[in-house]
Amino acid sequence: SAVISQKPSRDICQRGTSLTIQCQVDSQVTMMFWYRQQPGQSLTLIATANQGSEATYESGFVIDKFPISRPNLTFSTLTVSNMSPEDSSIYLCSVLHGRSYEQYFGPGTRLTVT
Amino acid sequence: AQKVTQAQTEISVVEKEDVTLDCVYETRDTTYYLFWYKQPPSGELVFLIRRNSFDEQNEISGRYSWNFQKSTSSFNFTITASQVVDSAVYFCALKEGANNLFFGTGTRLTVIP
Repeated sequence: SAVISQKPSRDICQRGTSLTIQCQVDSQVTMMFWYRQQPGQSLTLIATANQGSEATYESGFVIDKFPISRPNLTFSTLTVSNMSPEDSSIYLCSVLHGRSYEQYFGPGTRLTVT
Repeated sequence: AQKVTQAQTEISVVEKEDVTLDCVYETRDTTYYLFWYKQPPSGELVFLIRRNSFDEQNEISGRYSWNFQKSTSSFNFTITASQVVDSAVYFCALKEGANNLFFGTGTRLTVIP
């Protein structure tokens, strides 16, 4: 399995500000993803973080709101921009491990926007 | 249309009872993967199992077992002799090829001591 860490683990932010979440993996992985889990809900894919190119966003998510970087095969960041209370969620980094198609998740970042 | 349906929103059982969590999926692909994850109150998502569409063999891991039936598009998860530590939200998920992982809405399991 892959060991995934996220920073910060939680944060409380004010409306209108931005927060950058970091995801670090202990081994090189081809595919990294960012998910959002709103309170009491299931997980929704925000985007696939592509190494060396722009992220691929799912319907309903845009780069201006959720810019993503992936400078190498072990690290990615997700920024939540111009936050509103509706952005209060858990944000999870995920990686596809090797050829097994096993997909692992980081511990999540619990974001509260006031 | 929902790709993954977990009809049971919440289940409560008394400790040591067996419990089965249902998962029904929908796909037109012949190659796909099914997953179960556990999300305890701490929030992290714990990988439990991956099963590919070509392998219908049921699997047992300790108190956990999974029943994959392509004929009914189901991938059910049974916990035998449940324990309080099993209390969590359990998600079933479907991956079609290299595409997105589609999650069900989850089943919240509460094991009462």
